[in-house]
Amino acid sequence: EAGVTQSPTHLIKTRGQQVTLRCSPISGHTSVYWYQQALGLGLQFLLWYDEGEERNRGNFPPRFSGRQFPNYSSELNVNALELEDSALYLCASSFSVGQETQYFGPGTRLLVL
Amino acid sequence: QKEVEQDPGPLSVPEGAIVSLNCTYSNSAFQYFMWYRQYSRKGPELLMYTYSSGNKEDGRFTAQVDKSSKYISLFIRDSQPSDSATYLCAIPNDYKLSFGAGTTVTVRA
Repeated sequence: EAGVTQSPTHLIKTRGQQVTLRCSPISGHTSVYWYQQALGLGLQFLLWYDEGEERNRGNFPPRFSGRQFPNYSSELNVNALELEDSALYLCASSFSVGQETQYFGPGTRLLVL
Repeated sequence: QKEVEQDPGPLSVPEGAIVSLNCTYSNSAFQYFMWYRQYSRKGPELLMYTYSSGNKEDGRFTAQVDKSSKYISLFIRDSQPSDSATYLCAIPNDYKLSFGAGTTVTVRA
């Protein structure tokens, strides 16, 4: 069974640019979660999507947004990039709402210069 | 107060030693506890999970929960260099996971 996949693996952007990260969940999983892992800050919850709807949001500004498609894949968009957005962005999926076990992808490493 | 607190280490042990990792949590309503392992430049992988107080074993790994003290532990017996990684405790909270800071472990051959 294929795990959670993410693309691209690495990305370099400059301040003020916009970026889109992509995630495909494990087959059969309907919930997708996004986390940010910045140096020294640990894993921080960003967004949760289930059945195409945004269900929960972490303490991040509105320039962090996303969506979930009918096939349950998801995009994370970050507008007006700032230097502190440099981090590993992790996507996780779970079987359904209330299924606590989340499985993570390899992440997209974003560097903002 | 953070929901989950974890000593970031780092921890360096010789091969064969027992590794002991700990987290504390603030909300006594938490019911479900997980440990993830994250190798350098990779995503976290689920190592163990437990619902209840007491011990749960899986090979060389033992997860322990003490709900009265709001304390969770992970023990690694007969540690191997391949166990060198960052270990994160995680607790489901409103459908998201709240993570500890992660403890970086190095097992020296």
